[in-house]
Amino acid sequence: AQKVTQAQTEISVVEKEDVTLDCVYETRDTTYYLFWYKQPPSGELVFLIRRNSFDEQNEISGRYSWNFQKSTSSFNFTITASQVVDSAVYFCALSEATYGQNFVFGPGTRLSVLP
Amino acid sequence: GAVVSQHPSRVICKSGTSVKIECRSLDFQATTMFWYRQFPKQSLMLMATSNEGSKATYEQGVEKDKFLINHASLTLSTLTVTSAHPEDSSFYICSAPRLTSYNEQFFGPGTRLTVL
Repeated sequence: AQKVTQAQTEISVVEKEDVTLDCVYETRDTTYYLFWYKQPPSGELVFLIRRNSFDEQNEISGRYSWNFQKSTSSFNFTITASQVVDSAVYFCALSEATYGQNFVFGPGTRLSVLP
Repeated sequence: GAVVSQHPSRVICKSGTSVKIECRSLDFQATTMFWYRQFPKQSLMLMATSNEGSKATYEQGVEKDKFLINHASLTLSTLTVTSAHPEDSSFYICSAPRLTSYNEQFFGPGTRLTVL
């Protein structure tokens, strides 16, 4: 069975601080995808990144970066120089690599960036 | 990019009434669509998988007679909450996978259901 754990329920930081959101996953599949989504108060999920299990390269996109470590089954997300607009709930998710598979979401981490 | 729409975005109804929520893939076809439910301050939980041309499959604990799913076409799936009660109040989100080399999925904007 697949499972995603996000140990941090809520995090509060002051603007311009760096913050890392943890994600640990469990799966028996050898091929899978990992995702991060942002959910602002409106509720609509905002896609941030998809990572294939074969690709362990870290990725950077602006102030966002992701650290994928297969050895520890972790896919952590770091926001550098956080901003108030980063305040939201962030979900890590996992799916099988084949077409038409549902996502398994972690419990989410609520990030509050204070001015 | 691909878009999935949901209608309505928000609905308030009285206890005992039925509510229909539509999920449409606007620029691609989807033989499968997923329905998730999200209670306040909780994560998204898969309720059911909607299959075009066949019956939906439901996750354990989800009442199929209460949550009716119809995948009427390759671009439309509907979720009907029958005889809604206050405990059905939740945020309902659908997703549709687009056939590519990987599991590319697109989420609808969600429907917030409040049952009084």
